[in-house]
Amino acid sequence: NAGVTQTPKFQVLKTGQSMTLQCAQDMNHNSMYWYRQDPGMGLRLIYYSASEGTTDKGEVPNGYNVSRLNKREFSLRLESAAPSQTSVYFCASSEPRELFFGEGSRLTVL
Amino acid sequence: EDQVTQSPEALRLQEGESSSLNCSYTVSGLRGLFWYRQDPGKGPEFLFTLYSAGEEKEKERLKATLTKKESFLHITAPKPEDSATYLCAVLSNYQLIWGAGTKLIIKP
Repeated sequence: NAGVTQTPKFQVLKTGQSMTLQCAQDMNHNSMYWYRQDPGMGLRLIYYSASEGTTDKGEVPNGYNVSRLNKREFSLRLESAAPSQTSVYFCASSEPRELFFGEGSRLTVL
Repeated sequence: EDQVTQSPEALRLQEGESSSLNCSYTVSGLRGLFWYRQDPGKGPEFLFTLYSAGEEKEKERLKATLTKKESFLHITAPKPEDSATYLCAVLSNYQLIWGAGTKLIIKP
């Protein structure tokens, strides 16, 4: 039982490049989330998906897009990366009142 | 404005030295308070949920308590394997707000 799997674990981009972070869960959860974690700050919600076929903006959506491909998969895309997007990104899925997180994707934008 | 503040930012203890971590909050309509543990290079892992003032939850050497303004995570006789960052999150009427965490280091 893998839980929440994120790829890649590490990525270095140049300003203006694009990339997609992949996330898959095998717990049959309806809700999935993308967070970013920066030093000295709490986790901040980028986008979430309450169910297959729906997505909604979180606290910091600018510069990102998401796709809920099916119940298992929720991807995060950076169309034109900026240094301010250097961060650790976490995907999560949830049962009511409990989040299950992936191991994170560390992204550096030069 | 809804806000969650954790203190201290970092705490160094000797093995066996008990202490408490604090999570204070100001939110409109508390629907739940959550504690998570995060190891370096890993995602947060769920520990507890508290719903109302006076509630307590325990797990091994950890006990979480809740009042109307704050929550404490008490750690009794900690071991080096308890070293981690502990995150607090509060569910208000419509959003989950995270604190910045307390980094706990237990020295043998």
